[in-house]
Amino acid sequence: DAKTTQPNSMESNEEEPVHLPCNHSTISGTDYIHWYRQLPSQGPEYVIHGLTSNVNNRMASLAIAEDRKSSTLILHRATLRDAAVYYCIIDGSARQLTFGSGTQLTVLP
Amino acid sequence: DTGVSQNPRHKITKRGQNVTFRCDPISEHNRLYWYRQTLGQGPEFLTYFQNEAQLEKSRLLSDRFSAERPKGSFSTLEIQRTEQGDSAMYLCASRGFNEKLFFGSGTQLSVL
Repeated sequence: DAKTTQPNSMESNEEEPVHLPCNHSTISGTDYIHWYRQLPSQGPEYVIHGLTSNVNNRMASLAIAEDRKSSTLILHRATLRDAAVYYCIIDGSARQLTFGSGTQLTVLP
Repeated sequence: DTGVSQNPRHKITKRGQNVTFRCDPISEHNRLYWYRQTLGQGPEFLTYFQNEAQLEKSRLLSDRFSAERPKGSFSTLEIQRTEQGDSAMYLCASRGFNEKLFFGSGTQLSVL
């Protein structure tokens, strides 16, 4: 599976938008881009995924670059409950989903 | 949908003992994954099952580790002769046909 690069940490103010970037320059044409988040002492939780087009759901939006070598997870209005580690994962073979170190998001009140 | 269930939630054992963890995936999910996570790190892939077949194993999975998924339902992960370096959170995830991974809350292993 393709490798991903994310910033170690980011900060946001409560009720402001947050843009979490992910680089995946070795992504293949049929690889999906997934985002998960993990709160302390819990298993990761699905956030969103996409292939080529931008995607929206009740939790977030996913913006995928035209060349698909990067993507951005967008939280439209960050809340304190959004403070978590966010992982970007490239899903190729589906047999082995590789997590990186993720981005620790801190939301300031 | 009762979610992915893992037992026990916590396990404390002495070095050299064997431990076994259980994962009950979401009932209609045919794909199951085991991960290990240490503090401050992302989950590390250990192994993957499709139904009862173990199709992928990480090089992290030494010969002291064995995983099974009889009948393609629940799965067990056994660690023999535990070492202090095995202390970690062991996570199980399952997946159906909609591509989303559903994780359990994990089993926290402490090897003394």
